[in-house]
Amino acid sequence: GESVGLHLPTLSVQEGDNSIINCAYSNSASDYFIWYKQESGKGPQFIIDIRSNMDKRQGQRVTVLLNKTVKHLSLQIAATQPGDSAVYFCAEIPNSGGSNYKLTFGKGTLLTVNP
Amino acid sequence: EPEVTQTPSHQVTQMGQEVILRCVPISNHLYFYWYRQILGQKVEFLVSFYNNEISEKSEIFDDQFSVERPDGSNFTLKIRSTKLEDSAMYFCASSGQGADNQPQHFGDGTRLSIL
Repeated sequence: GESVGLHLPTLSVQEGDNSIINCAYSNSASDYFIWYKQESGKGPQFIIDIRSNMDKRQGQRVTVLLNKTVKHLSLQIAATQPGDSAVYFCAEIPNSGGSNYKLTFGKGTLLTVNP
Repeated sequence: EPEVTQTPSHQVTQMGQEVILRCVPISNHLYFYWYRQILGQKVEFLVSFYNNEISEKSEIFDDQFSVERPDGSNFTLKIRSTKLEDSAMYFCASSGQGADNQPQHFGDGTRLSIL
């Protein structure tokens, strides 16, 4: 049978605005989280990571916030540019059962930046 | 900046045939991974590899799949007898330390089409 793809959440912003992309993760024992950007036809590109002993980390134009209480992760992009248009995935390392190798990806958010 | 490279970019194969996907991880990395992404869906973990053996594998990675590091630079994924449902993008990734210590860096993938 034909498989149905996931309907991606979408976020559309104007160039120069700030963007906030949200992610709910599943495993309260996860202790390492990564945001990836995926442009059409390319592989996931590392943006920023954060460990569970932190609640905020800043990079160049990006900030990741971690709220362990509600298992929520967000990516803030300052002064969004057209080149930021892509699908953004959060990923976690589930830390149960001794697994510290595989990334578990969220379903992604499509960010569109309008010039 | 060093990157993960994958070949071919697109592979078309008849159902039942064997296929080998090739990857050259970042040169000083020690951990290697394969993931796949069916069109419109999440990136899914297949297998991780360290010290010349599989560290972890998912349920997708059944007896039809195998991985190999035949020399000091290449990392391959073999599908022995392909099925229609193997059609997907296959991403190779590598990391310098264990997955929960450093982010995994991805190649741009091989699009596998099974006819």
